[in-house]
Amino acid sequence: QKEVEQDPGPLSVPEGAIVSLNCTYSNSAFQYFMWYRQYSRKGPELLMYTYSSGNKEDGRFTAQVDKSSKYISLFIRDSQPSDSATYLCAMSKDSSYKLIFGSGTRLLVRP
Amino acid sequence: EPEVTQTPSHQVTQMGQEVILRCVPISNHLYFYWYRQILGQKVEFLVSFYNNEISEKSEIFDDQFSVERPDGSNFTLKIRSTKLEDSAMYFCASSGGGGETQYFGPGTRLLVL
Repeated sequence: QKEVEQDPGPLSVPEGAIVSLNCTYSNSAFQYFMWYRQYSRKGPELLMYTYSSGNKEDGRFTAQVDKSSKYISLFIRDSQPSDSATYLCAMSKDSSYKLIFGSGTRLLVRP
Repeated sequence: EPEVTQTPSHQVTQMGQEVILRCVPISNHLYFYWYRQILGQKVEFLVSFYNNEISEKSEIFDDQFSVERPDGSNFTLKIRSTKLEDSAMYFCASSGGGGETQYFGPGTRLLVL
């Protein structure tokens, strides 16, 4: 079983839609959970960071962590064509700063 | 807004040659990292660096690789004798007091022929 799994997509939605992106993981030692956005041939850009379980909101973005299910989500409200990118989940343990990434979900928001 | 910068943006080299990839982390950050992403694959951790020494490294980071902070601003990754399979995008990242919020640079695309 892979340590972090993420549906590669692509996910195609109309402008204004609510987007749900998800990752599952197998290692219960993960405590820190991040979402990055990566445009083609660019570096990952940090969007959201959450420690342990719970929700975090920042503008149109909401991150959720459910440690009991080993499942994390990123919701994007009122999606825009500029949100079209690959979204990477990443996580790390208390004892390490090494980020373990998912394979990324490609999102396309159609005008 | 402060950002991580990397040079060069692209590098082409012959197999067996040495390459040095350079990074300027965010100025008040204390932790530095290198990751790589082979085309179409996941971003993979290579090494973390704190207080002038390696704090963690992956199995990919073998004796061909080394890192250095030669001065107060630069952070370098050296590949001593490049192989074809070293072709990838190499990302530098840095973080402040805690390692969890890591900020990435734009990457260096390395092509080994």
